Amino acid sequence: SQQGEEDPQALSIQEGENATMNCSYKTSINNLQWYRQNSGRGLVHLILIRSNEREKHSGRLRVTLDTSKKSSSLLITASRAADTASYFCATDGGDYKLSFGAGTTVTVRA
Amino acid sequence: ETGVTQTPRHLVMGMTNKKSLKCEQHLGHNAMYWYKQSAKKPLELMFVYNFKEQTENNSVPSRFSPECPNSSHLFLHLHTLQPEDSALYLCASEDSTSSYNEQFFGPGTRLTVL
Repeated sequence: SQQGEEDPQALSIQEGENATMNCSYKTSINNLQWYRQNSGRGLVHLILIRSNEREKHSGRLRVTLDTSKKSSSLLITASRAADTASYFCATDGGDYKLSFGAGTTVTVRA
Repeated sequence: ETGVTQTPRHLVMGMTNKKSLKCEQHLGHNAMYWYKQSAKKPLELMFVYNFKEQTENNSVPSRFSPECPNSSHLFLHLHTLQPEDSALYLCASEDSTSSYNEQFFGPGTRLTVL
């Protein structure tokens, strides 16, 4: 069943701007992961944040996790045209299955 | 390249056809997954195999039949599909002995059922 829900559904920004998207989930998790999907392709893992972590960075990506609010955010700084893709959060409830949201479609305009 | 390959990349079939999707992973992983991705919907987990044993069947109709002959290969046999089965079918693999289940995805098979 669906666990994560991303917000907004779609986002359009100018190159160089930051993009922020949010994920909310319903039940307790071991970790939360973010994936990127380019049009019609498979998903690529971006970053994983554990339930006992509050913030994590990887290059231009910054992820936060608030377990009290059951929410996470993904920030992409200094966006590039190549960042145009769909972004999905996925929650790991400890049963070796990931539950994905419907994704946020990000368009970066040159 | 993620180390997970899928063939064919595109498939068009009639409702009475029988076809198979193939997935192969070169990562030494022991768990493999089939997902269905329809437009504007979350990924739907279909099947999970761990060490070649099926550990999850997420109420998938019997017209979809998985097969996992070894830890590196996964098939999805298709028979008497419906137009609503048209979707992107994604295969993923994972090292289920790891503490965190990061999954590696193939590029998908775009299936169109006429």
